[in-house]
Formats: sequence, structure tokens, C-alpha cells
Amino acid sequence: ETGVTQTPRHLVMGMTNKKSLKCEQHLGHNAMYWYKQSAKKPLELMFVYSLEERVENNSVPSRFSPECPNSSHLFLHLHTLQPEDSALYLCASSQDSRLGPKGEQFFGPGTRLTVL
Amino acid sequence: GENVEQHPSTLSVQEGDSAVIKCTYSDSASNYFPWYKQELGKRPQLIIDIRSNVGEKKDQRIAVTLNKTAKHFSLHITETQPEDSAVYFCAASLQYGQNFVFGPGTRLSVLP
Repeated sequence: ETGVTQTPRHLVMGMTNKKSLKCEQHLGHNAMYWYKQSAKKPLELMFVYSLEERVENNSVPSRFSPECPNSSHLFLHLHTLQPEDSALYLCASSQDSRLGPKGEQFFGPGTRLTVL
Repeated sequence: GENVEQHPSTLSVQEGDSAVIKCTYSDSASNYFPWYKQELGKRPQLIIDIRSNVGEKKDQRIAVTLNKTAKHFSLHITETQPEDSAVYFCAASLQYGQNFVFGPGTRLSVLP
């Protein structure tokens, strides 16, 4: 249960607020991910930081902004969100290599976000 | 890009029966196919995976089969138990570094 942690676990915010989600992995992995989980799209990849490269899903709105200061920490900065952004935000980490497959994704417990 | 479809979206079976979940993918270059299980209120966890050089893989009551020609793969759970009740996600990716594309999930309910 301590491999990948996320804070806060629950967050309620207004549309004009600015907040940040935090993820930390204690597994020594070199890649971290943000996923959005909702009834519409159960596991939608938002951002990836892997092998010092950032990859993003082009459909993610600019009101979501990731930050990865080092291989163990990942943030998701939120501003001027919409009610449809309410969802469970899952962080994951893996050990990747350039010459092999993506490693097993180890997920955090998620942050349940509600936008009023 | 890759597109993964998954059927059925919900599945109910009696305890002790078998359950089968099927996925199809669109990118013939995909060659790594993991399955993740997410119990209610918990995080997704890998339960089994298969690579394209293998047609079938078993781990106790769980098995996965792959048909590369037809671009589909399936999860088979035998002798189902109540603790198998969860949402199951299939995924596909290229072997070398491509991110996973997950299917929409199947909610499995094992009835006592």
C-alpha cells in the first residue's frame, strides 16, 4: 500500500480555484503517469513522464498542467476546472527501458475530485 | 492510433462457473497485452499479461489467449469465486515503449 501514494484522497473545488494533486512513488521506478477515470472513459491516459521525456494526450485541456520535478514525484496542477472534470485521478509508475516493453503499471489509490 | 474494445461491459456468473471477457485491438503492430483488475474502491492491479510470441498463458484459475490474426485476446476465469467480482481492463501496446491503451472495462459479478 505504500508503493505509490497520492494526496489528497478527496478534493472538492470550485471552478475558479487552483489546486494541485500530488503523487509519490517509492518503488525506484523511472516513469510516472496521470490517468483520469470516469464513467465515460474508465482509464484515460493524460500525461506520461518516462525516461526523461514527457508525452501527453493531445485531447487533455490546458487547465490540467503536470509537473515532474524528479523521478519520484509527480504533480497535476488544476485551474479553472469544469464540472465535467469531476473524476478519479489515478497516478501510476513503472520501470521502463528504451529497448523493452512498458513495465507493469503500479497505481496509486487515486484522488476523487469533485468540481462544483 | 490504437483502439481497444472490450465485451461484455457487464457480466454476471454463478459462483463456480467460468467467465470469459474478450478484447479486440486495431493496431496489428501491438504485441503486449496486459489485464488489470480493479476491485471496488481500490486501485487497478496487473493480474496477467501475454506477449505476441505466445498464444496462451495460464496462472492458476486465470488464463489469457491471443489470436494475432484476428487481433483479439480473451481472459478466462475458471471456478469463479466472490472475490473475483471486480472491473477488469484489458490493454494493448507496442513492445517497445508505447503507452498502454486500455479497454473500457468489464464489470464482473460472481453471484453466490
